[in-house]
Amino acid sequence: DTGVSQDPRHKITKRGQNVTFRCDPISEHNRLYWYRQTLGQGPEFLTYFQNEAQLEKSRLLSDRFSAERPKGSFSTLEIQRTEQGDSAMYLCASSPQIHTEAFFGQGTRLTVV
Amino acid sequence: AQTVTQSQPEMSVQEAETVTLSCTYDTSESDYYLFWYKQPPSRQMILVIRQEAYKQQNATENRFSVNFQKAAKSFSLKISDSQLGDAAMYFCAYRRGLLDDKIIFGKGTRLHILP
Repeated sequence: DTGVSQDPRHKITKRGQNVTFRCDPISEHNRLYWYRQTLGQGPEFLTYFQNEAQLEKSRLLSDRFSAERPKGSFSTLEIQRTEQGDSAMYLCASSPQIHTEAFFGQGTRLTVV
Repeated sequence: AQTVTQSQPEMSVQEAETVTLSCTYDTSESDYYLFWYKQPPSRQMILVIRQEAYKQQNATENRFSVNFQKAAKSFSLKISDSQLGDAAMYFCAYRRGLLDDKIIFGKGTRLHILP
């Protein structure tokens, strides 16, 4: 197992465009999380899934953001009509059902120009 | 709402010396978990150490240990025999029991190791 994988690693997009990120969790990890991290700050929680069910969404997740985990395996995070304020590192993490810590991917760095 | 505060944005320590990173948190829960994560430059976040609130004994992992003061809501990380590879951002984090899966992070402390 190679750990949590995120694709792409970097994305540059023009303001107003839509972007989609993918996260592949560690095999058999039921829980999957999305966080956003801006420069010099700690990760901010966006949303998380248990299997295919989205259990919680942060107020940070405006209606331009949507996340899915259709078969309880990989997940996608889509941002519509991107704004410059969306520029950040988007982190994905997963954890097994019974453990307490989360394992993080390397993140997708989004730059909106 | 739970919050995690790291009051030291940056710290420096001489190689082979000991350094302590501070963290305080606010919660009304009795059952929770605390973590220290390390994020090296341009690399992914990895878990350094975790502490279950119901355990009185402080967690240790090789050169890393914590000082968990539940009543004071304090959770500091001590790094002994600092090495160049310890240079990174360190994040203190909180998780409320097993039923609430949201992990809340502090803003981090950037640790510099001086050769």
